Amino acid sequence: GIQVEQSPPDLILQEGANSTLRCNFSDSVNNLQWFHQNPWGQLINLFYIPSGTKQNGRLSATTVATERYSLLYISSSQTTDSGVYFCAVGGNQAGTALIFGKGTTLSVSS
Amino acid sequence: AAGVIQSPRHLIKEKRETATLKCYPIPRHDTVYWYQQGPGQDPQFLISFYEKMQSDKGSIPDRFSAQQFSDYHSELNMSSLELGDSALYFCASSSLGGRWTFGSGTRLTVV
Repeated sequence: GIQVEQSPPDLILQEGANSTLRCNFSDSVNNLQWFHQNPWGQLINLFYIPSGTKQNGRLSATTVATERYSLLYISSSQTTDSGVYFCAVGGNQAGTALIFGKGTTLSVSS
Repeated sequence: AAGVIQSPRHLIKEKRETATLKCYPIPRHDTVYWYQQGPGQDPQFLISFYEKMQSDKGSIPDRFSAQQFSDYHSELNMSSLELGDSALYFCASSSLGGRWTFGSGTRLTVV
């Protein structure tokens, strides 16, 4: 099956710093989504981005489908950005599962 | 905006008991997905339903079963519970394979 690798596995930042999280996948996909799991366990959808670039406030994401990777940019990080960031990939047919990477654990200190 | 509703939020069961988890998708979402997440692990896909029919199947134990009802809500039934079934169980919904929304999860503890 498709393999999803995320890097780095862990990241420690001071408040205000910028960071880039990477997601590599082993096969072509039609569906790629980024999620943030906060310290209370909630999974929040950040981006649905099978290709191209999107921005939402301090967060932006870019997926280069032909080269099988996606990047998540976090600017001016805040303590509330702490948690685990997951990349998940799959097909775009209704009901097709998303395969999750192992995640990047981000810790932002003030 | 309406979100995905899961119940109960917490559940404590003894070994060999049964448990039923419920999921109410966002209105007009036609697809429901179930995932299991152990401590420190990434979510693992269990099963999905599209328009009330099973669509995709992952690593769901034979002791587990699920279905989607006419009102699109879904239930995950778990029997002969084992200690290793203790985990967070998430439900997500989407429309036509698009952006997913996850519920807050059910934390199951088997003692």
